[in-house]
Amino acid sequence: DTGVSQDPRHKITKRGQNVTFRCDPISEHNRLYWYRQTLGQGPEFLTYFQNEAQLEKSRLLSDRFSAERPKGSFSTLEIQRTEQGDSAMYLCASSLRGWQPQHFGDGTRLSIL
Amino acid sequence: DAKTTQPTSMDCAEGRAANLPCNHSTISGNEYVYWYRQIHSQGPQYIIHGLKNNETNEMASLIITEDRKSSTLILPHATLRDTAVYYCIVRVGDTGNQFYFGTGTSLTVIP
Repeated sequence: DTGVSQDPRHKITKRGQNVTFRCDPISEHNRLYWYRQTLGQGPEFLTYFQNEAQLEKSRLLSDRFSAERPKGSFSTLEIQRTEQGDSAMYLCASSLRGWQPQHFGDGTRLSIL
Repeated sequence: DAKTTQPTSMDCAEGRAANLPCNHSTISGNEYVYWYRQIHSQGPQYIIHGLKNNETNEMASLIITEDRKSSTLILPHATLRDTAVYYCIVRVGDTGNQFYFGTGTSLTVIP
C-alpha cells in the first residue's frame, strides 16, 4: 500500500530564492490538502484540491505561494521570494471522500538561511 | 467554526491505559471527531474517528459523550512507542475540508 509521498524531504535555501515541493497522493484519492507546521505548533491548513480544482485557500497562503494539481494526481507547492518566516514543515495529505480521514505524508522541511 | 481544547501534556506508565481528553463543545451535529498522533519528524498518523457512537480499532478506543461536546481517546496498554503528540481534530472552513489541529497533547509514556 503506497502512502502519500513528498519530495524533497528537506530543502535548504537562501532567502529570496524560489522553491517547489511535490506531493504524490494515494492513487485513488481525489482530494488533496497542503498544511504548514512550525515548531511546537499543530499543522495549519493552507489549501485544498478536489481533482484539479483548487476549492479552498487559507489566508496563510499569501500571493508568494501557489499550488497546482494539473491533472488531478500529483500536486506542487511553490514559494516565491522565500522569507525567514517560511521556514516550516510543509505537509501534504489526501483522502477519498471529504469526511474520510486524511492520510499524511512525512512532509518537506524547509529551512531558509 | 468548531474548535478543540486539549491538555498540553500528560504522562502515563508503560502498560497502563492512557486516557486523552478533548473538548469540542461547538461541534455541529454532523461533524466527525478525528484523532491523530505525530512522532517527531514524521507526518500525522491517523488513529481513529467517530460521529456519535463509541469506536474501537486495533490501535485505540474512542469514547464520545452523548452531547458530543467532548471525547476521550483510550490507548489500552501504553508502550514507549506511544510517546507522541496526540491531536483531536474537527473539520472547519468554508468547504468543511480543513482539519483544525490545535496544539495537541504531548503524551509521555514512562517505563
